[in-house]
Amino acid sequence: QKEVEQNSGPLSVPEGAIASLNCTYSDRGSQSFFWYRQYSGKSPELIMSIYSNGDKEDGRFTAQLNKASQYVSLLIRDSQPSDSATYLCAVVSGGYQKVTFGTGTKLQVIP
Amino acid sequence: NAGVTQTPKFQVLKTGQSMTLQCAQDMNHNSMYWYRQDPGMGLRLIYYSASEGTTDKGEVPNGYNVSRLNKREFSLRLESAAPSQTSVYFCASSPGTGMNQPQHFGDGTRLSIL
Repeated sequence: QKEVEQNSGPLSVPEGAIASLNCTYSDRGSQSFFWYRQYSGKSPELIMSIYSNGDKEDGRFTAQLNKASQYVSLLIRDSQPSDSATYLCAVVSGGYQKVTFGTGTKLQVIP
Repeated sequence: NAGVTQTPKFQVLKTGQSMTLQCAQDMNHNSMYWYRQDPGMGLRLIYYSASEGTTDKGEVPNGYNVSRLNKREFSLRLESAAPSQTSVYFCASSPGTGMNQPQHFGDGTRLSIL
């Protein structure tokens, strides 16, 4: 079992729809969770961080964390073609001494 | 405001050659990281430094060495390059001394080993 798992995609959604990206993790003691966006040929950039159970909203983005079920998700509302990118989930564990990235989910927003 | 600056952006080496990848940040961050990114493998941590004067191994440290020269600079050295080290290398930094804060990434170095 991978420590952090993401569906590689591509996930295709029409423009204006909600895109739902999921990430599961194996270490029940994980403490911090991040979503990064990476455009092709570019470096990752932070989208959202979440530390406690529940939802966290920032503009069109909502991160959802469920520690009991060991998953974190990212919802993108009103998806735009500019949202087309690979989304990386990162999980911090081991007393803040270990960070593990998922392999990413490629999102395609179709105009 | 530059953020995290990596040099060079591209490099081609022959097997057995050595080189150093440079990274500097101007955000007064404590922690710095080196990752490699390969297709289908995601980002894998090579080494990190929680503060000036300290370095620790990550998931894939073999074949690499690092130096935290000062608070701003963190370099990655390949002593004897191998084709398996062909990858995109990213340097990152974060404010605290643990990994629980978001990381800021440089633009990457695309390294090919022939």
